[in-house]
Amino acid sequence: GQQVMQIPQYQHVQEGEDFTTYCNSSTTLSNIQWYKQRPGGHPVFLIQLVKSGEVKKQKRLTFQFGEAKKNSSLHITATQTTDVGTYFCALLRANNLFFGTGTRLTVIP
Amino acid sequence: DGGITQSPKYLFRKEGQNVTLSCEQNLNHDAMYWYRQDPGQGLRLIYYSQIVNDFQKGDIAEGYSVSREKKESFPLTVTSAQKNPTAFYLCASMPGQGYGYTFGSGTRLTVV
Repeated sequence: GQQVMQIPQYQHVQEGEDFTTYCNSSTTLSNIQWYKQRPGGHPVFLIQLVKSGEVKKQKRLTFQFGEAKKNSSLHITATQTTDVGTYFCALLRANNLFFGTGTRLTVIP
Repeated sequence: DGGITQSPKYLFRKEGQNVTLSCEQNLNHDAMYWYRQDPGQGLRLIYYSQIVNDFQKGDIAEGYSVSREKKESFPLTVTSAQKNPTAFYLCASMPGQGYGYTFGSGTRLTVV
């Protein structure tokens, strides 16, 4: 089946530094969604990307879908302690969501 | 406020006992899902239901059962056949294609 690999698995950054997580697929993706899960919490939907080369921004978060629709990235500018958590990409296929392995972000004050 | 309610938040059971996890939504969503999350891991799909009285197995359905008698409710039973049931269980719903999932706050099941 179609699988999505996410890197890095862990990332520690100093508050104010930037952070990027990547999702990569060996096959073309029809769409990709991003979720954030705070420690001890549940995943919260952030955004969905559908178009090739699409870039969407939410305040300090920038989401990108690759031109070939085989990869996606989430970039956070000037991290804050509130950004702590695990960020998941997920592929929506036939109304079912298949999650990547996630990137756990730690922000050091 | 609309949302998904999972209960209980924490659940302890003895090995060999069946246990049912509750999931209720008032979002009027047709599709509902159950995921399992192990520590430091991603989410894996257990069962899903696109419509009342119909449900399908996900990637790790063995040892689990579900029912969907009402649109609002999608309970998950963890049976004694599930070899490693201790995990964080998440219920979700979706209104339709192109929308994100809404998750409940989850149930942490510990089997001793």
